[in-house]
Amino acid sequence: DAGVIQSPRHEVTEMGQEVTLRCKPISGHDYLFWYRQTMMRGLELLIYFNNNVPIDDSGMPEDRFSAKMPNASFSTLKIQPSEPRDSAVYFCASSFGLAGVAGELFFGEGSRLTVL
Amino acid sequence: GENVEQHPSTLSVQEGDSAVIKCTYSDSASNYFPWYKQELGKRPQLIIDIRSNVGEKKDQRIAVTLNKTAKHFSLHITETQPEDSAVYFCAASMIFNFNKFYFGSGTKLNVKP
Repeated sequence: DAGVIQSPRHEVTEMGQEVTLRCKPISGHDYLFWYRQTMMRGLELLIYFNNNVPIDDSGMPEDRFSAKMPNASFSTLKIQPSEPRDSAVYFCASSFGLAGVAGELFFGEGSRLTVL
Repeated sequence: GENVEQHPSTLSVQEGDSAVIKCTYSDSASNYFPWYKQELGKRPQLIIDIRSNVGEKKDQRIAVTLNKTAKHFSLHITETQPEDSAVYFCAASMIFNFNKFYFGSGTKLNVKP
């Protein structure tokens, strides 16, 4: 398996534009997570899904952020409109079973977003 | 929610020396403690983990210790090598929400040849 695949790896956009980040989890994994990494706040969990259903979105910063998982092999994180403070590295991760019980959390390579 | 603090933020050691990174947590309901290594520009990867029913776990040059009473856990790397240079993150998750990991702020380890 190629691991968790994210795209794009780098995105530079202007304030106010819509940004869509994409993730393909490891085949067979039933949990998918979106994390944001910044120097100030470190690694923060934004949202996670179980069997394509959002379970906990309490980390989503505000209504400008939305995430979907239409099927077991694809998820998107959308920011509309984007702001400079959204600049960060966004990681997608997946696990088979509860990450803290049976399954290791596997991270993708991340999407580095810069909002000018 | 849980608060995980990690120290030091940077650590520089000579090759062959040992390195110790410490984390504290606030919620006694936390019972799973993984450590992740992130090389520059790469993804975080799990290197070792420990559960609250165990006090110590070793894997070759890496060990983790847990003190539940004091609510702290530590990563020990012996005989450090230049390839150990990376950012290390500790994390904690709770018994009623295993999937929600609270990460420490990270420790940048530099191993000098």
